[in-house]
Amino acid sequence: DTGVSQNPRHKITKRGQNVTFRCDPISEHNRLYWYRQTLGQGPEFLTYFQNEAQLEKSRLLSDRFSAERPKGSFSTLEIQRTEQGDSAMYLCASSLPTFYTFGSGTRLTVV
Amino acid sequence: KQEVTQIPAALSVPEGENLVLNCSFTDSAIYNLQWFRQDPGKGLTSLLLIQSSQREQTSGRLNASLDKSSGRSTLYIAASQPGDSATYLCAVPSGSARQLTFGSGTQLTVLP
Repeated sequence: DTGVSQNPRHKITKRGQNVTFRCDPISEHNRLYWYRQTLGQGPEFLTYFQNEAQLEKSRLLSDRFSAERPKGSFSTLEIQRTEQGDSAMYLCASSLPTFYTFGSGTRLTVV
Repeated sequence: KQEVTQIPAALSVPEGENLVLNCSFTDSAIYNLQWFRQDPGKGLTSLLLIQSSQREQTSGRLNASLDKSSGRSTLYIAASQPGDSATYLCAVPSGSARQLTFGSGTQLTVLP
């Protein structure tokens, strides 16, 4: 278990399609976060899990977005009815408790 | 609401120079501050974590300082190399989830 793993690395999808990303955190880390990063900006917080409980959601997380972390292990982030504005890098991080380790991200392009 | 600012937005230096990247934050009640490196199209790599009780932290050619009272941190890179070219981001945890609030980063180019 060498770090945070994210899949896929890249995703190209047509507008209106649904996409799902996966994050496998460091196993000892009970905190898991999703962030979104657009070009030239720092990452912005989307949502937070402690174990399997989703405890915090950003206003950026519209109702087209949903995240899960079943059994407090891996997490998935789903975007329904994708829009061109959803094109971004989606980053997952886990922490113990405030030292963060980030994954390599999933680059989403909506065409 | 915590806000983080990084200056300059971009920096280009010749190889071998020592340089300083700046980070400021508006709410001084922080747990810690973390510096990250991001290569183009890649995720974030943690460089240094400074706890709120610390003044500085060193790793190799990198030295980060923290002045909570003034809401500032600096990342000092000694003897810069072309391999140091990347975007450097600072971030502080805030909110009930201790989610990170990031600056927009400083894009560093070290010219051979």
